[in-house]
Amino acid sequence: DVKVTQSSRYLVKRTGEKVFLECVQDMDHENMFWYRQDPGLGLRLIYFSYDVKMKEKGDIPEGYSVSREKKERFSLILESASTNQTSMYLCASSRPRQGISNQPQHFGDGTRLSIL
Amino acid sequence: RKEVEQDPGPFNVPEGATVAFNCTYSNSASQSFFWYRQDCRKEPKLLMSVYSSGNEDGRFTAQLNRASQYISLLIRDSKLSDSATYLCVCAGGTSYGKLTFGQGTILTVHP
Repeated sequence: DVKVTQSSRYLVKRTGEKVFLECVQDMDHENMFWYRQDPGLGLRLIYFSYDVKMKEKGDIPEGYSVSREKKERFSLILESASTNQTSMYLCASSRPRQGISNQPQHFGDGTRLSIL
Repeated sequence: RKEVEQDPGPFNVPEGATVAFNCTYSNSASQSFFWYRQDCRKEPKLLMSVYSSGNEDGRFTAQLNRASQYISLLIRDSKLSDSATYLCVCAGGTSYGKLTFGQGTILTVHP
């Protein structure tokens, strides 16, 4: 069974702080993703990575950066946290495409981040 | 226009009812489709992949209509435990496993 583990379920930080969210997967998946989910807006892709040290911007990368130094770990960094970054953050991983078929993503439990 | 559109609901149905959700997608290059289920304050979980010929898993049936660019999910004999938000998901023709999620349809099954 795929296991995606996020470092914190709940996190409270202050405006201006640098915030690190960690995600680890144990299935040797190449692809990893960071989303945020807000009421009425659904899941929005922040960044993703398809290989170690590779990263691609998603739909809302502003104010975020990522790091993938090891295959199993994908970190999301809020460079200078702001109140509008209060949200539920979800990490996911998947295998690469097989032929023309994308593979389903498997999610971690999520981190509820509050910026005060 | 959103890439993936779903009726947000909520759908309120009694136990034992049959309920169907539809979802439309705009990217004709989409090749992979999924339905996810998300319980309140939890992460999305894969419910089923949607194959071109349609597929069934117990009480759940998924259909794909490429010509009309819509996907459906049918739930038969609804249970209280089916109450959740159901997310329609498409993968465009891009690589790297990117998926596009609909905003979800809320289902509440009542006794």
